[in-house]
Amino acid sequence: TQLLEQSPQFLSIQEGENLTVYCNSSSVFSSLQWYRQEPGEGPVLLVTVVTGGEVKKLKRLTFQFGDARKDSSLHITAAQPGDTGLYLCAGPFQGAQKLVFGQGTRLTINP
Amino acid sequence: GAGVSQSPRYKVTKRGQDVALRCDPISGHVSLYWYRQALGQGPEFLTYFNYEAQQDKSGLPNDRFSAERPEGSISTLTIQRTEQRDSAMYRCASSSRRGVGTEAFFGQGTRLTVV
Repeated sequence: TQLLEQSPQFLSIQEGENLTVYCNSSSVFSSLQWYRQEPGEGPVLLVTVVTGGEVKKLKRLTFQFGDARKDSSLHITAAQPGDTGLYLCAGPFQGAQKLVFGQGTRLTINP
Repeated sequence: GAGVSQSPRYKVTKRGQDVALRCDPISGHVSLYWYRQALGQGPEFLTYFNYEAQQDKSGLPNDRFSAERPEGSISTLTIQRTEQRDSAMYRCASSSRRGVGTEAFFGQGTRLTVV
């Protein structure tokens, strides 16, 4: 059983379209992180959200932490081929330092 | 160093052999994590250290897997009597401080293939 469920697992869209990916859990998290991973590389942190309802923006990427701190979403506006990658959400397990990851969303942006 | 360094990058070993995977974290980073990652999937937690102390090894699959960080810097993940199911990408990450929600910096991983 996956503690953090990501959806969709795969998404392929055309350049210029908007998209949203989701990270859901039945557990409350004190914070959630989003990472992006490119082929052959390790995950790289994009953002950390810590407050229920928090919204953070990183250029065309908008991250939201659910009010109940059980879920998060990543919205990309006007997707570009450079956004292609594996997007991972992660959070501290049971409030401890151990970081657990979702299974990822494989995003492909077609020119 | 500038980033987390793992060696070797690729390791092919015969079933039944022992392997040692090395992680050199970012200088001064307190915490060090080991993960295993299947292709196209998220990293699966194995174990982590704060300084030289192993804090949580609940993710190690069985007693063939062990890890150490004797001086609070470089860490070694050892797999004894390797099996084909151990084939995976093994990733190390480090963070600058203890605590929840700190950024983890990942290495490029070691691709282990057991034949």
